[in-house]
Amino acid sequence: GESVGLHLPTLSVQEGDNSIINCAYSNSASDYFIWYKQESGKGPQFIIDIRSNMDKRQGQRVTVLLNKTVKHLSLQIAATQPGDSAVYFCAEAMNRDDKIIFGKGTRLHILP
Amino acid sequence: EPEVTQTPSHQVTQMGQEVILRCVPISNHLYFYWYRQILGQKVEFLVSFYNNEISEKSEIFDDQFSVERPDGSNFTLKIRSTKLEDSAMYFCASSVAGPPGTIYFGEGSWLTVV
Repeated sequence: GESVGLHLPTLSVQEGDNSIINCAYSNSASDYFIWYKQESGKGPQFIIDIRSNMDKRQGQRVTVLLNKTVKHLSLQIAATQPGDSAVYFCAEAMNRDDKIIFGKGTRLHILP
Repeated sequence: EPEVTQTPSHQVTQMGQEVILRCVPISNHLYFYWYRQILGQKVEFLVSFYNNEISEKSEIFDDQFSVERPDGSNFTLKIRSTKLEDSAMYFCASSVAGPPGTIYFGEGSWLTVV
């Protein structure tokens, strides 16, 4: 069965507002979590990652939060822009595994 | 910025034909991967490759599939006898470090089996 999934398939956000995309995972052995952005017709693009020994990590306009207690991962995008429109996937990996496993994806729509 | 490049971008093939998808990973990367994405679905792991051999493969990667690194730059995925359900976007990816490492994806090869 799947070990990574997302709460909502589609999220609509007003331009300029903050976006929060959520992800639930079930494999407590996962050590590493990644968010990817996929624009239409393109490959997944790495956004940000976090290791299991961290709760929060910030990048440029993005923040990833990890709550290991409830096995929850979120991606926060500040001041959402039209270029943020895409499908966002969370993914997980275990240190000893040679692959990452993707969740189902959330499509982010930016409203003008 | 270095990137993973894939060819062809789109291929249409008849059922039962052999297909080879080609990839040039980022030059200093050591780990190589193939993933696929059926239209509208999530990205699925197929195979990982390191040190000239398969390190891990999924259930999808059956005997019809094979990978090869024929020279120092290319990484190929061969589907021996394509089926309709092989129609998907195939992504090559690479990473410089071992598990887990940041994996960079190519733009994909869209395979349509008719």
